Amino acid sequence: DIQMTQSPSSVSATVGARVTITCRASQDISSWLAWYQQKPGQAPRLLIYATSTLHNGVPSRFSGHRSGTDFSLTISSLQPDDFATYFCQQANVFPLSFGGGTRVEIQ
Amino acid sequence: QITLMESGPTLVKPTQTLTLTCTVSGFSLSSNGVGVGWVRQPPGKGLEWLALIYWYDGSHFNPSLKSRLTITRDTSKDQVVLSMTNMDPVDTATYYCAHRFSNSGYVVFDYWGQGILVTVSS
Repeated sequence: DIQMTQSPSSVSATVGARVTITCRASQDISSWLAWYQQKPGQAPRLLIYATSTLHNGVPSRFSGHRSGTDFSLTISSLQPDDFATYFCQQANVFPLSFGGGTRVEIQ
Repeated sequence: QITLMESGPTLVKPTQTLTLTCTVSGFSLSSNGVGVGWVRQPPGKGLEWLALIYWYDGSHFNPSLKSRLTITRDTSKDQVVLSMTNMDPVDTATYYCAHRFSNSGYVVFDYWGQGILVTVSS
């Protein structure tokens, strides 16, 4: 099974800050990685798939990148609506697996 | 508009079998490329994928739970049913069903139900 190690587990930042979250796959997953945003009491929301493709309606301040088995999600200028928990998901092979999550909190 | 809604018991006893139903609308369970999956999330914890069923009735399961899981679909009712046997308190979680994003070429989920919190307790 592929393990997804996400870091940090939490980050405190101010509105307007640049935030980067990383996810490391335990083996090659090509570009088959997605990012989700989840707010308290809500279901996850798909933000990015195939490493860097923004899903419909996702603001351009979100971006995704890959370097080998390391993946990153960057929010270029944090907005109040972005305070949430973010999860990565590998979709290269079954079983599908998620990272442990990163909570983005208001500083 | 695609929607999914989970239904089922919110409280089950240890050793019982949990049966959850996902009722979908806005798409057909038999359309090419369609998949519906189940993902769970224990309170305050991360996401765990459980199972997936495709338009052609093929399925995949998380190997860690495979012996306990069954997934079926009823196209006439627009429903996907997940069963999990021998429930334990560690299975307490919010259970989500989700629609596979067909345009992605692989399995990610673009629409999710609101989730159902299932508590396992005697």
